[in-house]
Amino acid sequence: ETGVTQSPTHLIKTRGQQVTLRCSSQSGHNTVSWYQQALGQGPQFIFQYYREEENGRGNFPPRFSGLQFPNYSSELNVNALELDDSALYLCASSRPGLNTEAFFGQGTRLTVV
Amino acid sequence: ELKVEQNPLFLSMQEGKNYTIYCNYSTTSDRLYWYRQDPGKSLESLFVLLSNGAVKQEGRLMASLDTKARLSTLHITAAVHDLSATYFCAVDMVGGPGTASKLTFGTGTRLQVTL
Repeated sequence: ETGVTQSPTHLIKTRGQQVTLRCSSQSGHNTVSWYQQALGQGPQFIFQYYREEENGRGNFPPRFSGLQFPNYSSELNVNALELDDSALYLCASSRPGLNTEAFFGQGTRLTVV
Repeated sequence: ELKVEQNPLFLSMQEGKNYTIYCNYSTTSDRLYWYRQDPGKSLESLFVLLSNGAVKQEGRLMASLDTKARLSTLHITAAVHDLSATYFCAVDMVGGPGTASKLTFGTGTRLQVTL
């Protein structure tokens, strides 16, 4: 059974550019959630995808968007990057069911310069 | 809006000592998680607490949940250097039917265990 995998592991982008981060969920998990963790802070919930639709969103602007594919993998897209978007982006996948535990990937470190 | 507060934010303790990290949260929830994070790494799940009065122990760590007080504690017994890391509590937001956890994290407690 493979765990949650994210790509790339590190990324440097310029302010104003767009970025796509990818996440493959753990086998048997149909829900993917994305979190942003700025340096020295706790992770913040961005949004969750379930059955290829957004299923809850945190306090993030519309330039943060996502997709979930039929194989349950997911993408996080961020448009018009700002310096404050520099952070560790964590993907978590969960099994079907109510309030099931989230298992986290290793994260993508995004630096915006 | 659900708020989760941890204290202390930073804890330096000697090997062999005991200490407790506190996690307070602002709205009703029956599900609380504790995670460990090493520098530059992802989150490692430590405990899942699913009901009032739940207590779980693993090695030198013990976690408890009091949903009436909206308080969870992570107790460290006879600390060793390998426990040095940042510890986060996370509270599950109420989700819709068939939905998985949506977590609100505390600020984290950076634990440094010295020899």
